[in-house]
Amino acid sequence: NAGVTQTPKFQVLKTGQSMTLQCAQDMNHNSMYWYRQDPGMGLRLIYYSASEGTTDKGEVPNGYNVSRLNKREFSLRLESAAPSQTSVYFCASSDIYHYGYTFGSGTRLTVV
Amino acid sequence: EDQVTQSPEALRLQEGESSSLNCSYTVSGLRGLFWYRQDPGKGPEFLFTLYSAGEEKEKERLKATLTKKESFLHITAPKPEDSATYLCAAPTGNQFYFGTGTSLTVIP
Repeated sequence: NAGVTQTPKFQVLKTGQSMTLQCAQDMNHNSMYWYRQDPGMGLRLIYYSASEGTTDKGEVPNGYNVSRLNKREFSLRLESAAPSQTSVYFCASSDIYHYGYTFGSGTRLTVV
Repeated sequence: EDQVTQSPEALRLQEGESSSLNCSYTVSGLRGLFWYRQDPGKGPEFLFTLYSAGEEKEKERLKATLTKKESFLHITAPKPEDSATYLCAAPTGNQFYFGTGTSLTVIP
């Protein structure tokens, strides 16, 4: 009964370092999403994958890349972290495109 | 410009004091208006989807309604466990816009 699992839960990076945020869902959902949440800005869509084998940019894709590894897994990569990428990152999945998301518990990332 | 705006930003209620949260939207070709609840340190949890003006949905002490320009989340006789941030969201094209949320605190 795990739902959407994100790792790690917390991470501190130095400017210029790279890292990958992992996300896996066990609900056999077709669509997966990456959001960031910042105070006063709300949740903003970074990238999404409507179905296995496809990925598309969301509202704020710059500085990020994604990989839909298989139907279960969708990773988010920061190639060269910047302080502006300090945020809480949420992965979500849905059976129907952009309907009734199930969210993970988030990754709190700090870039110093 | 597509936009989802929530008010108030924060709301403090006494236990049992009913109130409403507002979500106004300017989204072309609305394909549903969604409500989520978010507890501190957790991801949002899906509550409702509304598709057409006049539609209403209920869950325990929560009732969501939709007009052509706004959605309301009515909270009847709230309890402390209803304290959370409530988010509304709307899809348009390939984007899914979230409001910034209303932080609700219910005081015993």
